[in-house]
Amino acid sequence: DTGVSQDPRHKITKRGQNVTFRCDPISEHNRLYWYRQTLGQGPEFLTYFQNEAQLEKSRLLSDRFSAERPKGSFSTLEIQRTEQGDSAMYLCASRPQGGGLEQYFGPGTRLTVT
Amino acid sequence: SQQGEEDPQALSIQEGENATMNCSYKTSINNLQWYRQNSGRGLVHLILIRSNEREKHSGRLRVTLDTSKKSSSLLITASRAADTASYFCATGIVSGYSTLTFGKGTMLLVSP
Repeated sequence: DTGVSQDPRHKITKRGQNVTFRCDPISEHNRLYWYRQTLGQGPEFLTYFQNEAQLEKSRLLSDRFSAERPKGSFSTLEIQRTEQGDSAMYLCASRPQGGGLEQYFGPGTRLTVT
Repeated sequence: SQQGEEDPQALSIQEGENATMNCSYKTSINNLQWYRQNSGRGLVHLILIRSNEREKHSGRLRVTLDTSKKSSSLLITASRAADTASYFCATGIVSGYSTLTFGKGTMLLVSP
C-alpha cells in the first residue's frame, strides 16, 4: 500500500501524559498537512510542512502541540500534558509539488484522553 | 474555524435516487473540493472545482459553484448503498499554502 500511513491508529492516554503520533506521507510528496477532527465536525487545519520547513500553523496549535518533519519525509505530532479536550481524530494528508490541489489523507490516529 | 456549512446535515434516500448536498462558505476562494469519509477508508477526495469554473462532472458526480452566492452543490446520481458516508466540502483560499477549510459535513444514508 503506497498511501499515507499513520501510527498508531488508536491511542488512549491519561490526562497529563505526553503522546506522539507519526505520519508517513506518500513517497515524494513534499507537502504535508496535519488536521484535527472532533465528533460531528469536519477536519480543522493544524499545521503545514513543505519539505522540512513548517510554514504555517493554526492558532489551534497551542504551546502544548509541536510538529516536526526533520528530513522532509515522515512527520511527528506531539501533544504535551494532554487534556480531555485533546480527544479527537488526528489526520495527516500529503500532496506532491507541482501536482493538483487535492490532498491525500491517511486513516488518522484516534486519541482518547481519560 | 469552519468555513463551510453543508446542508442538509443528514440525508436518507433509497438506492437509485439522486442525492444533492449544498455547501456555503464565507470568504473568497481559489478552489472548492468535495471529500467523502467513511469508517473504512478515511477521507477520500472526490472532485475539485476552481473559482473560475461553474460546473464539473466526474462519473456519477456533478458539482456546481456559484461564487456570487458563495455556494456549491454536489449531486450524486443513481445512488448506491456504497455511497453511504459523510460528505464534506473544503475550500482553498487565494493566498496561503492550499490548506483546506472544511465544513461540518452531510451524512448520507443510502438504503438498499
